[in-house]
Parts: sequence; C-alpha cells; structure tokens
Amino acid sequence: DIQMTQSPSSMSVSLGDTVTITCRASQDVGIYVNWFQQKPGKSPRRMIYRATNLADGVPSRFSGSRSGSDYSLTISSLESEDVADYHCLQYDEYPYTFGAGTKLELK
Amino acid sequence: EVKLVESGGGLVQPGRSLKLSCAASGFSFNDYWMGWVRQAPGKGLEWIGEINQDSSTINYTPSLKDKFTISRDNAQNTLYLQMSKLGSEDTAIYYCAMEGFAYWGQGTLVTVSS
Repeated sequence: DIQMTQSPSSMSVSLGDTVTITCRASQDVGIYVNWFQQKPGKSPRRMIYRATNLADGVPSRFSGSRSGSDYSLTISSLESEDVADYHCLQYDEYPYTFGAGTKLELK
Repeated sequence: EVKLVESGGGLVQPGRSLKLSCAASGFSFNDYWMGWVRQAPGKGLEWIGEINQDSSTINYTPSLKDKFTISRDNAQNTLYLQMSKLGSEDTAIYYCAMEGFAYWGQGTLVTVSS
C-alpha cells in the first residue's frame, strides 16, 4: 500500500499566519492527491483536488502544490474558520490511502 | 443539490453483522463510482472501498475485503455496505462519498460492543 506521511500531526497557529501542511507519498501518485478539511462533528470537505486545483467554493487563501513526492496544502492569512483538521488522500492506486491528519489549534 | 444520507448505524454486538445504506439524490447516481470511508473515534480517515457504476468492479482496502461487501441498487439510488464479523475495531463513523470525494454524507455511527 502507498503510505502518505503527513506532517505535522498538530500545529499551534495564530490568525493571519501562513500555514503549510505536507504529505509525502511512499511512491509516485502523480497528481492524484486531494486535501480535505474536517471540523468537529462534521463530514470532510474537499478543499483541493488533483494536487493543485481549488474545489468549488473554497477561499483562494487555500492552495495546493507538489514537489516530487511531497504534496502541500498552504493556507495564507489564516482565519478563525480555518481552524480544523486536515487530511490528505492519494487516489492514484488501490487501496486509496489517507494521511494521518493534521490538527490546527489556535495559540 | 447533491445529497447523500447514510443510515443503518447503531449498537451491535461483537461478531454480528450490520448493513448500512446511503441514499443518494440530486445527481445521476448510476453515472458515478461510489465509495465508503470510515473514521474511528478520535482517529483519521480510512478508505474502505468503492464500486463502479454497474457493480462490475469493486475495490476494497485489503484488511477489510473479507469482512465488508459494497453493493448498490441503481433503481433505488442507494449504496450499501454489508459488514460482518464485527469487532470493537470497527467502531467508527461510516461515510459514503461520491466519486472524486467532492460530496460526502453526514455519516452514521456504528458502535460494536457487548
């Protein structure tokens, strides 16, 4: 199975920060990486698809990038509504696999 | 509006079976792959598997392949997850999701306990 090593597992953040979360794939997954936001008690929400594409309705302060086997989600100028858990997913090869998640917490 | 509504969760004893449903509306159900994802309490997301439009192809995560069966009824716009030999490790919220993971249901909680 492809491992998606997500870091950090948690991050203490301040409003207005630029936040970057990374997933490293254990083998090539091409562009087939999604990023999800999940708030407590809610379903995941797709934020980024195919590594770099902003999903419908997602604010432009969110962006996705790829460098080799490293995939990153960046939140520019963090707002309070962005404090949540974030998950990456590779869907290039079965079984699809998620990263372990990153929890953003306010300082 | 795309809507996915899971049902069928609840408290089940270890070793028993349970069948979850996911009712879909707002899109042409029989045009899309559909899948299941679960999340144990306080843990990350785990992909369970997915099924293609005519049920001819079903893929599972290997550790669940012998316990879980995904099916669909296109006439009823409904996706199913049949779970057997349940153990405490299967306690989780179970979500259905549409192809591409753009849309998710609200989830249904399955608790395996005696």
